Amino acid sequence: EAGVAQSPRYKIIEKRQSVAFWCNPISGHATLYWYQQILGQGPKLLIQFQNNGVVDDSQLPKDRFSAERLKGVDSTLKIQPAKLEDSAVYLCASSLDQTGTVPYEQYFGPGTRLTVT
Amino acid sequence: AQTVTQSQPEMSVQEAETVTLSCTYDTSESDYYLFWYKQPPSRQMILVIRQEAYKQQNATENRFSVNFQKAAKSFSLKISDSQLGDAAMYFCAYRTPLNSGNTPLVFGKGTRLSVIA
Repeated sequence: EAGVAQSPRYKIIEKRQSVAFWCNPISGHATLYWYQQILGQGPKLLIQFQNNGVVDDSQLPKDRFSAERLKGVDSTLKIQPAKLEDSAVYLCASSLDQTGTVPYEQYFGPGTRLTVT
Repeated sequence: AQTVTQSQPEMSVQEAETVTLSCTYDTSESDYYLFWYKQPPSRQMILVIRQEAYKQQNATENRFSVNFQKAAKSFSLKISDSQLGDAAMYFCAYRTPLNSGNTPLVFGKGTRLSVIA
């Protein structure tokens, strides 16, 4: 089974530029998460999708960050304009659709390391 | 809001020895799940072990075991017979189950484990 794919692996941009990250979850996984991991910290949820609908985006800085999951499969996370504090690793994770109370395991991609200069 | 605290930024262990990583959490929920994830330099988050809060028995996975103290809200990870490949960042994470739908993980800041040959 193929894992969660993310691209690019690395990106360096200047502040005020825009950038986009792509995630392809495991086939059949209805739930998709984007996490931000700042150096020295644990990942923090930015947005969660269930199929192509947003479940939780309460921690997404909506003035500069946007995300979409067209057709309920691939997802794109965009930052425009980028700030220095956006330098981080952006992790995508996916899991099967939960039908009961036991949560399914989240599978993570390799992440995209963003450096804003 | 739930919080997860890892008080050991760095730990080291001799190869073949045993090491314990600490984690405490704060929650008002009675039912939840706890996890330990490993993140090697490749950045891929790998699930090491999980514990359901309603289970009194501590989870074990080969050389990895946990000491789950629900009243103390403590969840430590013990790695036995440490190997060079165990060197990585280790994150403790918390997750609340819902009757329907997946929930995101809440991570601690991590502990960097070094294994000395």
